[in-house]
Amino acid sequence: QSALTQPASVSGSPGQSITISCTGTSSDVGGYKSVSWYQHHPGKAPKLMIYEVIKRPSGVSDRFSGSKSGNTASLTISGLQAEDEADYYCCSYAAGNTHNYVFGTGTKVTVL
Amino acid sequence: EVQLLESGGGLVPGGSLRLSCAASGFTFSNSAMTWVRQAPGKGLEWVSTISSSGAATYYADSVKGRFIISRDNSKNTLYLHMNSLRAEDTALYYCAKDSSSWLNWGQGTLVTVS
Repeated sequence: QSALTQPASVSGSPGQSITISCTGTSSDVGGYKSVSWYQHHPGKAPKLMIYEVIKRPSGVSDRFSGSKSGNTASLTISGLQAEDEADYYCCSYAAGNTHNYVFGTGTKVTVL
Repeated sequence: EVQLLESGGGLVPGGSLRLSCAASGFTFSNSAMTWVRQAPGKGLEWVSTISSSGAATYYADSVKGRFIISRDNSKNTLYLHMNSLRAEDTALYYCAKDSSSWLNWGQGTLVTVS
């Protein structure tokens, strides 16, 4: 199973909005509603930001939103803040012989 | 509060290693559990998932046949038995609660295969 494709880096100024794409196939992103997004500061535990494409866990800012169109999922961060600078990973259930998940390649978000 | 504490990592010249993940703050026997790893400078990789009872186990192709996931619900502990270790298994290994949409994670334990 190949990793989902994300841009290596995305940047924006404070207050701006940015969108991170996550492209897969009909066997993963396009075929299921099980797409999630994680914020990861190196050396710390990843943090779930979005699950089931559009849902936000309790406590996650509503500046984070998810969507999906076809084989591409997206994470949008609005009102960008310095604390949002981190690595972001998408993850999707993937069809196969068994229960299987695949992560994206990861995107470094830089707040200018 | 959900707490997950990994242990058992270290520097190994290949061979085998067993990782543990001690869980607290929730009913362990009701939750599927998952291992995810991150190699140095690389992204996150799903490794393995086990059902709440332990009856069902799932593995990434990269570890299938070499790693075994197990659990002891009486001890609230998750395990990852790692055999035939390779240099490419060098990574920070995290345990996470549930089979998907992982809300709760441990801090990770580092495995280095020299």
